[in-house]
Amino acid sequence: GAVVSQHPSWVICKSGTSVKIECRSLDFQATTMFWYRQFPKQSLMLMATSNEGSKATYEQGVEKDKFLINHASLTLSTLTVTSAHPEDSSFYICSARDSAGASTDTQYFGPGTRLTVL
Amino acid sequence: GQNIDQPTEMTATEGAIVQINCTYQTSGFNGLFWYQQHAGEAPTFLSYNVLDGLEEKGRFSSFLSRSKGYSYLLLKELQMKDSASYLCARTRQAGTALIFGKGTTLSVSS
Repeated sequence: GAVVSQHPSWVICKSGTSVKIECRSLDFQATTMFWYRQFPKQSLMLMATSNEGSKATYEQGVEKDKFLINHASLTLSTLTVTSAHPEDSSFYICSARDSAGASTDTQYFGPGTRLTVL
Repeated sequence: GQNIDQPTEMTATEGAIVQINCTYQTSGFNGLFWYQQHAGEAPTFLSYNVLDGLEEKGRFSSFLSRSKGYSYLLLKELQMKDSASYLCARTRQAGTALIFGKGTTLSVSS
């Protein structure tokens, strides 16, 4: 149980285009999902907290108009990188918290999406 | 990471035991996680400590001292496949996002 999927696994796009990344909890409901970004040889940095049915909460320094988050259902959150630039190239990872789990703090990570902007 | 400190790199040999330490800021503490991450992959959950003491799970054990703001991950009978980055993480408060340390890259040699 507690499987989280991400799609796509990797994507290459041209500068200026937009890319949508999906995060799904496959066998549990997740009222809260989290989006992280990881640059090479660095740790995961939280970008935003995605709450089902409400606006996402962004971390300081993360542009909400550039990184659009939608959490329309209990099993799906999407991150859209708008007008992508080469500096947005990174490993994007989502995690989901099992709303009904024994430990509400335990988060399950998706496999990540490798974004390369040319 | 935010006030989460762990060594950058460690090396060990197959069959050995290694201890990876992590210190964190105690204010607002709610629980301490350890994750394993292989290069190019997402982190996988190893352990979660919310109370003081040692929790053993097969070859891996995790210890927590809340008063000292200190945790360690103990890996026994090391195998080559244990070569990975080990991330110490905490929640800011219950049910919130994880705040990660910078990770400890462990290299296991034969």
